[in-house]
Amino acid sequence: GAVVSQHPSWVICKSGTSVKIECRSLDFQATTMFWYRQFPKQSLMLMATSNEGSKATYEQGVEKDKFLINHASLTLSTLTVTSAHPEDSSFYICSVIMRSSYNEQFFGPGTRLTVL
Amino acid sequence: GENVEQHPSTLSVQEGDSAVIKCTYSDSASNYFPWYKQELGKRPQLIIDIRSNVGEKKDQRIAVTLNKTAKHFSLHITETQPEDSAVYFCAASILGEGTYKYIFGTGTRLKVLA
Repeated sequence: GAVVSQHPSWVICKSGTSVKIECRSLDFQATTMFWYRQFPKQSLMLMATSNEGSKATYEQGVEKDKFLINHASLTLSTLTVTSAHPEDSSFYICSVIMRSSYNEQFFGPGTRLTVL
Repeated sequence: GENVEQHPSTLSVQEGDSAVIKCTYSDSASNYFPWYKQELGKRPQLIIDIRSNVGEKKDQRIAVTLNKTAKHFSLHITETQPEDSAVYFCAASILGEGTYKYIFGTGTRLKVLA
């Protein structure tokens, strides 16, 4: 399977600041990465599909100007939460799919964002 | 859009008993159905999956069944143990804009009572 890392693992910030979360595929080249958000005691909600070298595809209801996604290389995608507010506090998880493994999904360890 | 419903939301069983979690999906084009176990604060872990060309798959105490006609799939855990306690999510993959993406069910919190 694929090894996926995320950085940071947790972050606390003040309201109005921007936070960047990195997702790295450590052992294979990922043309596609996914970003999910998970509120406490809720399911994973797909936010966007990150495509290397092109614009991300956002799910309905996700503000693309607020959640900026950059997939500049085959091993790195970043999610920037701009002007974060307390309601953005959540667990953000990235994943990659390995087409050679029938589209099996491999998750990063997640980033816990707390906005004060 | 694709929707995945999952039931029950919570499930308590005695150690050694079986647990069954059910999901339904809406997009008949879905062709891959993974099940994940998630412990608090951790990433989801794939525990079993099934593809649309198979009706049943088993891996030790865990089995998954798929009814494509009814668009149902279920997770069966036999001989449950306390360490099976976690939140379980089903998911369905759909093809969207050139790549597959995953829609998750709402989750089932399983408690195995010793």
